[in-house]
Amino acid sequence: KAGVTQTPRYLIKTRGQQVTLSCSPISGHRSVSWYQQTPGQGLQFLFEYFSETQRNKGNFPGRFSGRQFSNSRSEMNVSTLELGDSALYLCASSYLGGGSARNEQFFGPGTRLTVL
Amino acid sequence: AQSVTQPDIHITVSEGASLELRCNYSYGATPYLFWYVQSPGQGLQLLLKYFSGDTLVQGIKGFEAEFKRSQSSFNLRKPSVHWSDAAEYFCAVVPMDSSYKLIFGSGTRLLVRP
Repeated sequence: KAGVTQTPRYLIKTRGQQVTLSCSPISGHRSVSWYQQTPGQGLQFLFEYFSETQRNKGNFPGRFSGRQFSNSRSEMNVSTLELGDSALYLCASSYLGGGSARNEQFFGPGTRLTVL
Repeated sequence: AQSVTQPDIHITVSEGASLELRCNYSYGATPYLFWYVQSPGQGLQLLLKYFSGDTLVQGIKGFEAEFKRSQSSFNLRKPSVHWSDAAEYFCAVVPMDSSYKLIFGSGTRLLVRP
């Protein structure tokens, strides 16, 4: 079974631009979560989607948004990019999620976003 | 405040030596507990997890962790470290009173001396 895939792997943008990152979960997985990893703040939860619905959201500004499609693929969008948005963005999928904490989250390799 | 603490930012051990990485949590009820490993340029891989029951948990790659309720700790151990174990290790929790999201510690970077 293929793992979680994220595209693109690397991205360079300038301040003020917007960006869309994509995540394809493991086949059969219905939950997709997004995390931001930075040297200063570490790994922080952004949001989780389950069956096309956002079920949980972290403490990030409204510039960060996401969505999930009927095939469980998910996209994350960041508008009006700031220098501080430079980070590794990790996507994780799980079979159920949405309160089923016992279900393991499988992580993708991440998208490295650099904002200049 | 609710938190996950990994007090060691860096740890260096010699190949073949034993390893213990510390993790403490601060939550009202015992959360679900996890250890993940991240190699450079890679995502996170789950090493092991604890939900309930036996407090000594076996994981992949020869790792184990022991849950100690009295100390609010979930330390990761390995009896003999291999050079390929060099990576960053994250302790994480899913609080019992919240929806499904992982709260991570700040990580411990493991360096292995030949």
